[in-house]
Amino acid sequence: DADVTQTPRNRITKTGKRIMLECSQTKGHDRMYWYRQDPGLGLRLIYYSFDVKDINKGEISDGYSVSRQAQAKFSLSLESAIPNQTALYFCATSDLASDTDTQYFGPGTRLTVL
Amino acid sequence: GQNIDQPTEMTATEGAIVQINCTYQTSGFNGLFWYQQHAGEAPTFLSYNVLDGLEEKGRFSSFLSRSKGYSYLLLKELQMKDSASYLCAVRDSNYQLIWGAGTKLIIKP
Repeated sequence: DADVTQTPRNRITKTGKRIMLECSQTKGHDRMYWYRQDPGLGLRLIYYSFDVKDINKGEISDGYSVSRQAQAKFSLSLESAIPNQTALYFCATSDLASDTDTQYFGPGTRLTVL
Repeated sequence: GQNIDQPTEMTATEGAIVQINCTYQTSGFNGLFWYQQHAGEAPTFLSYNVLDGLEEKGRFSSFLSRSKGYSYLLLKELQMKDSASYLCAVRDSNYQLIWGAGTKLIIKP
């Protein structure tokens, strides 16, 4: 079984709709992240959470919100989707207690906003 | 501003060696990562450097020079399955990862 899972894997929605992307992990890591990836650009950080009570904005948080429901679950919401939010979204986790705090990624959610 | 530069695309031959360069300008440095990403898939961790020098891991090696703001990923004995994008990322003084746009590596028979 995958250590980091994301649902849905693909989603097509319309402008103005509210959608939620979910991420779950069985790695026991305390840190979780949401990124988006666009062609020709590097991964950009949307939000990150270092534990259940800690939520931080990343580089491009406008138009997004998150919820850390448990150590293992971190959800990303688009309150009112717009076409330029069409992208590949990745969840990642890391363990502060490790030597390197390496981030491990879920399989991604491909979101299309029409 | 912070910047990570990598070549957009490289081509190499099966069985050969290829070096993918990464230069960075960041506010602080707390380690450099290389990831492999096949098209439409998740990035997977390859290597981590925090001190100057070469780290070897099988067919892959990664080098770091902090004074030059420079790293490279060396891939030996190239296989067709190595066709992928290779992402360079630097952890800055705020402990955030700054990502390059990636280098698409095309392997030809």
